Amino acid sequence: GQQLNQSPQSMFIQEGEDVSMNCTSSSIFNTWLWYKQEPGEGPVLLIALYKAGELTSNGRLTAQFGITRKDSFLNISASIPSDVGIYFCAGQKMYSGGGADGLTFGKGTHLIIQP
Amino acid sequence: NAGVTQTPKFQVLKTGQSMTLQCAQDMNHNSMYWYRQDPGMGLRLIYYSASEGTTDKGEVPNGYNVSRLNKREFSLRLESAAPSQTSVYFCASSENRDEQYFGPGTRLTVT
Repeated sequence: GQQLNQSPQSMFIQEGEDVSMNCTSSSIFNTWLWYKQEPGEGPVLLIALYKAGELTSNGRLTAQFGITRKDSFLNISASIPSDVGIYFCAGQKMYSGGGADGLTFGKGTHLIIQP
Repeated sequence: NAGVTQTPKFQVLKTGQSMTLQCAQDMNHNSMYWYRQDPGMGLRLIYYSASEGTTDKGEVPNGYNVSRLNKREFSLRLESAAPSQTSVYFCASSENRDEQYFGPGTRLTVT
């Protein structure tokens, strides 16, 4: 199946630092989403992006939908200990006939924050 | 609102046994999904149901069957479990768009 290349695989940062991660694909997506997953739980939606070039913020999180529709990035400003977790990008292709197909996920960026 | 609920939370099976994973959502969403997550991997789609009465295969459907019982419930069945099906299974739902909301997962071990 198609793949999303997510990087970096893991990040070790100091509390208060800014974080940046990104996702690229060889395919075009019409939607990009960013999820966070904590141990033992399901992914939680952070930000959804629907238009090429769109820049969206959710508190200290900012994400952009790349102009080529093949990439997206997520930034976290002034990281705090509760930001620890695994961040996944996910893309949705154009679909026909209505309804919603499944998402294609990246392999995740594991964020570790050192106090 | 409970959102998306899954049962059981944990399950251990022997090779060849069968079981059904249950999922229910109370958000009145039309679409529901089953994913599996393996260590170091993102989630991979097993099956989905775009609307009540329809189901379609995803990326990794082999060894699984699904039933969209009604608008709220979408079950995943393993007819003859194999060790390769050891994984964490997530159910999700969405309202005809791409924002999928996930349940807490079922951790399945097949020995």
